[in-house]
Amino acid sequence: SQTIHQWPATLVQPVGSPLSLECTVEGTSNPNLYWYRQAAGRGLQLLFYSVGIGQISSEVPQNLSASRPQDRQFILSSKKLLLSDSGFYLCAWSGQGQANYGYTFGSGTRLTVV
Amino acid sequence: GEDVEQSLFLSVREGDSSVINCTYTDSSSTYLYWYKQEPGAGLQLLTYIFSNMDMKQDQRLTVLLNKKDKHLSLRIADTQTGDSAIYFCAEKTISGGYNKLIFGAGTRLAVHP
Repeated sequence: SQTIHQWPATLVQPVGSPLSLECTVEGTSNPNLYWYRQAAGRGLQLLFYSVGIGQISSEVPQNLSASRPQDRQFILSSKKLLLSDSGFYLCAWSGQGQANYGYTFGSGTRLTVV
Repeated sequence: GEDVEQSLFLSVREGDSSVINCTYTDSSSTYLYWYKQEPGAGLQLLTYIFSNMDMKQDQRLTVLLNKKDKHLSLRIADTQTGDSAIYFCAEKTISGGYNKLIFGAGTRLAVHP
C-alpha cells in the first residue's frame, strides 16, 4: 500500500534561519507531488507541484523553493525564513492519471517562525 | 479564475444533520471533493463526486451537486462529536496542462451535546 511521510511534525525556527522540510512517498512510482500551506484560520494554498524528477512548478511568488531530487522525495526549502512563513505545511501525492481520486496528504509540519 | 468558497463555521447539535455548502467557479471542473481535517492532522479524503452526477451517498454522507449554480454540499446525517473537524471543499482544475486541486478555506464544524 502507498504511504506518505512528512517530517518533522513540528518546528520552531528563528527569523533568518534556513528551512528544509522533507516528504517521501512509498509504494508507488512517478507520483505527482504537491506542497500546500495552511496559514492560521485560513484555507489551503498550493505552493508547488511536481510531475517528475527535477520538474517543479511554483504557484505563488514567495520566500520558499522546492526540489525533487528523487522520484518519491519532495523537499521544501528556504534560505532565510520570514515571520510570514509560519503555518502548517502539507505534502500530498496523486497517481499519474489518477488525480480524479483526489490527493493523499501527509500528516503535516507545523512551522513557527519566531 | 479558480476560486472555491465556503462558510467558515457551522454549529450543530449531536444527532442532527449537518449541511456544509461550497461554491466553485471553474465550470470545467470534472471532479469535486470533500476532505476532513481533524485538529493537528493532515487532510483525509471523505468523498468525491463526478460532475455528471447530481448526488452521491456513502453511509451517513450525502453529496449534492448543482452544476448549473456551481454549488456543492455535504450532508452528514446523525452528526456525532467525532465529526467535529474542518471540512474542505475542493475542485479539480487544469492549469498549465496539469491537474490541480483548488481548496476552499474550510468550514469548521462544531458538534455540541
